Amino acid sequence: GESVGLHLPTLSVQEGDNSIINCAYSNSASDYFIWYKQESGKGPQFIIDIRSNMDKRQGQRVTVLLNKTVKHLSLQIAATQPGDSAVYFCADRTGGGNKLTFGTGTQLKVEL
Amino acid sequence: GAGVSQSPSNKVTEKGKDVELRCDPISGHTALYWYRQSLGQGLEFLIYFQGNSAPDKSGLPSDRFSAERTGGSVSTLTIQRTQQEDSAVYLCASSAGTGGYGYTFGSGTRLTVV
Repeated sequence: GESVGLHLPTLSVQEGDNSIINCAYSNSASDYFIWYKQESGKGPQFIIDIRSNMDKRQGQRVTVLLNKTVKHLSLQIAATQPGDSAVYFCADRTGGGNKLTFGTGTQLKVEL
Repeated sequence: GAGVSQSPSNKVTEKGKDVELRCDPISGHTALYWYRQSLGQGLEFLIYFQGNSAPDKSGLPSDRFSAERTGGSVSTLTIQRTQQEDSAVYLCASSAGTGGYGYTFGSGTRLTVV
């Protein structure tokens, strides 16, 4: 079956540095990808998404890169802040489907 | 309401008892999803409702799990004869349309089976 997984379970960065969270997916039919942020005790919150016909998309302080050749997705957070500390999940949708498949998550810790 | 509301926020139950978890989606959202999040794990799809269509139950782990959505709005996830491995956070999400776009999640119900 399809799977979406993350390379690193925990990432520690210094405040002000850039963070890069990586994700691998296995289904070449995936056509839509999303990054979510989950703070303790809360539900996942949408950060940014990208369709498979794009390779880069930028938001406020965040950039998502998609490499379909190697089935790899990354989330870049610029000037990481303490408020960015959370678990980050990538998710994908299999071509035209209605539900998302989520990865295990990466814990981002921002050190002061 | 302004967001997806789930109740209760925490539930402790004895093994073998039945539990009901409630989800109030965002008003007007036609799609509703249930996911389960076990400790340190990703989100596992359980069931999906879209309008008046038959629900996609492909993620329900056993026949002890069932869900319904009344009037296209509120949804209840029922777990019968709970077991310890059912302990997890149960998350509900809703969206305005199909395609997996624009999920808004609730804060979840943390279920502990003792």
